[in-house]
Amino acid sequence: GQQLNQSPQSMFIQEGEDVSMNCTSSSIFNTWLWYKQDPGEGPVLLIALYKAGELTSNGRLTAQFGITRKDSFLNISASIPSDVGIYFCAGQTQGAQKLVFGQGTRLTINP
Amino acid sequence: NAGVTQTPKFRILKIGQSMTLQCTQDMNHNYMYWYRQDPGMGLKLIYYSVGAGITDKGEVPNGYNVSRSTTEDFPLRLELAAPSQTSVYFCASREEGTTDTQYFGPGTRLTVL
Repeated sequence: GQQLNQSPQSMFIQEGEDVSMNCTSSSIFNTWLWYKQDPGEGPVLLIALYKAGELTSNGRLTAQFGITRKDSFLNISASIPSDVGIYFCAGQTQGAQKLVFGQGTRLTINP
Repeated sequence: NAGVTQTPKFRILKIGQSMTLQCTQDMNHNYMYWYRQDPGMGLKLIYYSVGAGITDKGEVPNGYNVSRSTTEDFPLRLELAAPSQTSVYFCASREEGTTDTQYFGPGTRLTVL
């Protein structure tokens, strides 16, 4: 089946640092989504990407849909304590009814 | 709107017991999904439904059953609980025709001892 490789698996950073994470796939996706999961909660959508090369921002978060359509990137600028959590990428092929999720990146921030 | 609600929040089962995890959404979404999330891992799709009366298997359906008699409800049934089913279960829904945004419930944490 389709698989997404998300990296890094975990990050330990200082408050104020920028964060970068990415997702790669062996197959082409038509949609890339980035979710954040707070402890004890369900995932919440951060950014949705629908076109190759698309660059979309949501506050301090910026995500890009790779031009090969096989990867996506998420950047967080000037991290703050509430950015702590697990970030998941998810992809969907055209016409598919299901998302494929990455394994997640666990972000820890030292104040 | 309450969005996607799940009950119970927590449950401990003994091996061989059965239970139903409830999921309800009030957004009139046609598509509904059940995922499990094992510790430190991503989300694996168990079952999904594209509308009332229609269900289909996901990546890890063994040991589970679902039904979809109404648009709002999508219960997940465990018939013979096993320790391997210890996990956090998430229900999600999305509107047909929208670009793939799934809305998740808060999850049910299940432990099988």
